[in-house]
Amino acid sequence: QVRLVQSGPEVKKPGASVKVSCQASGYTFADYDFTWVRQAPGQGLEWVGWVSTSDVKANYAHDLQGRVTLTTDTATKTAFLELRSLRSVDTATYFCAREGNYFYSGMDVWGQGTTVTVSS
Amino acid sequence: IVMTQSPLSLPVTPGEPASISCRSSQSLLHSSGHNYLDWYVQKPGHSPQLLIYLASNRASGVPDRFSGSGSGTDFTLEISRVEAEDVGVYYCMEALQTPSAFGGGTRVEIK
Repeated sequence: QVRLVQSGPEVKKPGASVKVSCQASGYTFADYDFTWVRQAPGQGLEWVGWVSTSDVKANYAHDLQGRVTLTTDTATKTAFLELRSLRSVDTATYFCAREGNYFYSGMDVWGQGTTVTVSS
Repeated sequence: IVMTQSPLSLPVTPGEPASISCRSSQSLLHSSGHNYLDWYVQKPGHSPQLLIYLASNRASGVPDRFSGSGSGTDFTLEISRVEAEDVGVYYCMEALQTPSAFGGGTRVEIK
């Protein structure tokens, strides 16, 4: 069964950092890249970034450049999102999703989401 | 690229058809001939799920009452006969370039 299981909810103070994980199972990790999407409370979906599982390439949303880093660990079949210098506007549910890296076929499997709350 | 969806809200009667429009500020037609436009639905309390990729390809397990069409900058998601389980927020997303962009969403609700 193909699954993406994300880490649990986080509560952070402004200025802190958070690292969210997304563990894959049930498929060949290297055949898919990861996209991260976030959703502020009551709002729509916002594309955060994309990371390759086969090399060190990553692309980020313009307004998060410099604060976000996406990585993957092939040994543990896990993707990570790290967001630094947290602000209240970063309060959101963060989703990981896989995306085929040979032939594009959309983001076909999603994690359950990780709630990140930034509050003093 | 800016993605614009309409309508914002769509009350539908079960068994009736429904249609959602998505317009992009730039053409999503790739040199390969594919339009890099996806449709996702987020049902209440759940993660988003893929419905359509490359404008008109149904994802695995998606009922055939869902269909996608369009090319260039104008795209449409159609539900031939709405069912109660189709309630949720529908998003289009351009996948031609990064950073990618989602439309604002269309909330489908049962009348």
